[in-house]
Amino acid sequence: DAGVIQSPRHEVTEMGQEVTLRCKPISGHDYLFWYRQTMMRGLELLIYFNNNVPIDDSGMPEDRFSAKMPNASFSTLKIQPSEPRDSAVYFCASSPSDTRPYEQYFGPGTRLTVT
Amino acid sequence: GQQLNQSPQSMFIQEGEDVSMNCTSSSIFNTWLWYKQDPGEGPVLLIALYKAGELTSNGRLTAQFGITRKDSFLNISASIPSDVGIYFCAGPDNYGQNFVFGPGTRLSVLP
Repeated sequence: DAGVIQSPRHEVTEMGQEVTLRCKPISGHDYLFWYRQTMMRGLELLIYFNNNVPIDDSGMPEDRFSAKMPNASFSTLKIQPSEPRDSAVYFCASSPSDTRPYEQYFGPGTRLTVT
Repeated sequence: GQQLNQSPQSMFIQEGEDVSMNCTSSSIFNTWLWYKQDPGEGPVLLIALYKAGELTSNGRLTAQFGITRKDSFLNISASIPSDVGIYFCAGPDNYGQNFVFGPGTRLSVLP
């Protein structure tokens, strides 16, 4: 299995621009998670999906952030407009089942820099 | 929301030494997980614990789910250079809706 795939691996953009991060979960996994990691705040859960349905988005920082999962093999995290404080590493993770949804497999992350 | 604390924040050890680190919470957790993150990569699951008192091993790693449900421990025996990284504890909150990570313990292994 290829594991969780994220693209791009690095993104540099200017403040005010729209940024779209992409994730392909492991085939057959029912849960998909989006995290943000910074030195100051550590790893934070932003939103997670079960069977393509958003379950909890309480971690999404503000309305500038949105996430979608149009099908079982693809999810996007969009920031519009981006701000310098959004600079972080964004991880996508997936997990296989209802019985053990927390045993997550992480992707390699997207390092976002907003100037 | 619920917060996890990890200690120590960082540690430097000699290759071959055993390592102990712990994770505490002010509230009860029903599941504890330990992840390791190498530089430039995503966290990797090491051990999952589902029952108070449970002791689980994965090679040289052993983790325990504390009896009080408010703590967990991770031990690494006979450390090797590839053990270097950041070790995170994590778990779902009481409602099972949010998933929180501790701040991590950074391990350095000196040859």
